Amino acid sequence: KQEVTQIPAALSVPEGENLVLNCSFTDSAIYNLQWFRQDPGKGLTSLLLIQSSQREQTSGRLNASLDKSSGRSTLYIAASQPGDSATYLCAVPPSGSARQLTFGSGTQLTVLP
Amino acid sequence: SQTIHQWPATLVQPVGSPLSLECTVEGTSNPNLYWYRQAAGRGLQLLFYSVGIGQISSEVPQNLSASRPQDRQFILSSKKLLLSDSGFYLCAWSSGSDEQYFGPGTRLTVT
Repeated sequence: KQEVTQIPAALSVPEGENLVLNCSFTDSAIYNLQWFRQDPGKGLTSLLLIQSSQREQTSGRLNASLDKSSGRSTLYIAASQPGDSATYLCAVPPSGSARQLTFGSGTQLTVLP
Repeated sequence: SQTIHQWPATLVQPVGSPLSLECTVEGTSNPNLYWYRQAAGRGLQLLFYSVGIGQISSEVPQNLSASRPQDRQFILSSKKLLLSDSGFYLCAWSSGSDEQYFGPGTRLTVT
């Protein structure tokens, strides 16, 4: 059974800092990996999707990497802003299926002005 | 562009009452549809998914059920709510890109 772990559970940084969020998964036979952002009381916003054949994806100040063999992904946020404060979740589906996402418990990020 | 709607946004129901949550998607055809629950202090859990009209797969045994009466409509139901059904219910859709897109959610409190 796939298990997804996110470390740290919470992170507080001053504005302008670069930071890294970590995601690890136990079964490396994944179809892809998706990073989401969730604001309090809101739905999830998809940030980046990395296919299993890719090593990284970039969108603006966000860069996500994927190392399937070690079962790890990182989300790098450059020049953090207070508006980046949210919970960040990673999720993986099993190999051969893009459907049944297993989610990590998330990292709650606070960027202090 | 595609949009996904959920209603109601919040709901307070007594134990034993019925439930009906609705999700609709616009701007895409034949999407895969999903119901997730996010309970307090717990992660997101997939409850049901559907690859087409009338096709429902259940991931977790429970007193909830799902139906897909139309291509872009997904309904979550219960005949009798339990206290443990409280949580934040999220609907999502995906298509060829496999990326899942989530709705705004419904906050359900069972009293």
